[in-house]
Amino acid sequence: EVQLVESGGGLVQPGGSLRLSCAGSEFTFSSYWMSWVRQAPGKGLEWVANIKQDGGEKYYVDSVKGRFTISRDNAKNSLYLQMNSLRAEDTAVYYCAREIVVVVAAMQYFDLWGRGTLVTVSS
Amino acid sequence: SSELTQDPAVSVALGQTVRITCQGDSLRRYYASWYQQKPGQAPVLVIYGKNNRPSGIPDRFSGSTSGNTASLTITGAQAEDEGDYYCNSRDSSGNHRVFGGGTKLTVL
Repeated sequence: EVQLVESGGGLVQPGGSLRLSCAGSEFTFSSYWMSWVRQAPGKGLEWVANIKQDGGEKYYVDSVKGRFTISRDNAKNSLYLQMNSLRAEDTAVYYCAREIVVVVAAMQYFDLWGRGTLVTVSS
Repeated sequence: SSELTQDPAVSVALGQTVRITCQGDSLRRYYASWYQQKPGQAPVLVIYGKNNRPSGIPDRFSGSTSGNTASLTITGAQAEDEGDYYCNSRDSSGNHRVFGGGTKLTVL
């Protein structure tokens, strides 16, 4: 089955660190852009970061720039999010999402999502 | 603040047609995609590009764009269409992705 499975969430104190992982299966992981999207409790979706197929391009939402690092290991079909200096406002379910980017068609969308992993930042 | 603006809530009578809109300057350059999310579940892609539906999405879902406004139309809304709907596109720089604030759809 084509799927994404996130792991690594949990409870962490403010200022702490956490590393999320996302494992892809039954598709050619190295052919796709990949993103992290989060959703705070009772709130909407927020795009966090994405990474190009070869890892050569990475982009972040301003609120996490300098604190979070996105990376991937195509040999392991895995995506990662290293989160440092965590704040209470980073509390959310973090989703891994496969991204389709069609430059010539000015089109970009997320066609496959994991179930998410909950990160809680609290003392 | 989101660069894509959606109405917080919309309601529709069972079997009627409803339009959910998404406004933003970047929509003049880039297509929007639309996602349905039900409580406790991950989002599901329902429309992408000019007006494309992934496999398994009913044809009562359709999309369109005019100027800086993208629209998701559900023709003949069903009870199972209740949920939150989010639009997504790129920001004005073209490098970052952005979601609208979401629209809660109630089917009466």
